[in-house]
Amino acid sequence: DVKVTQSSRYLVKRTGEKVFLECVQDMDHENMFWYRQDPGLGLRLIYFSYDVKMKEKGDIPEGYSVSREKKERFSLILESASTNQTSMYLCASRYRDRRFYGYTFGSGTRLTVV
Amino acid sequence: DQQVKQNSPSLSVQEGRISILNCDYTNSMFDYFLWYKKYPAEGPTFLISISSIKDKNEDGRFTVFLNKSAKHLSLHIVPSQPGDSAVYFCAPGSGNTGKLIFGQGTTLQVKP
Repeated sequence: DVKVTQSSRYLVKRTGEKVFLECVQDMDHENMFWYRQDPGLGLRLIYFSYDVKMKEKGDIPEGYSVSREKKERFSLILESASTNQTSMYLCASRYRDRRFYGYTFGSGTRLTVV
Repeated sequence: DQQVKQNSPSLSVQEGRISILNCDYTNSMFDYFLWYKKYPAEGPTFLISISSIKDKNEDGRFTVFLNKSAKHLSLHIVPSQPGDSAVYFCAPGSGNTGKLIFGQGTTLQVKP
């Protein structure tokens, strides 16, 4: 089974801090994604990457950037954390089933910005 | 513009009864439809899929129905168990883009 590991389960950061969320997958997948989950809004795509050093903006990229220097690692960066970025952050890696493309998710990082 | 809508934010059912979770979509180009299940403080996990060329797929207690003309799918859980209490996301996808579009989720509570 693909394993997607997010380095922190819970984080508390101060407003204005630069925050790094790390995600590692162990199956050599090319495509990786960052989502945030908020009540009533579902999963919203922040950024995704389809290869090393390749990235594309998702639906809500403002206030975020990403880094993909190695295939297995995809980092989400909050340039200057704000309270409205308090959320559950989920990283995913894409795999190919014979019938569809599916995602394997990490356990999530619950970020609180105070 | 939301391509995928789960109009019921929450659903409560009694243990042993049927749970029906609904999902509507607008894009007729979706090739497959996935359902994910998410417990609190965990990431979503894949539950069941259906291809756009099928109208039903069954896996144990879980059955997904697809009505392409109505652009509607539903997930049936029979019988419901307390361990099914979770958030369920509908996620259609396209073979061309390889991307999933997630609905807002429905929180299911199964009462003992």
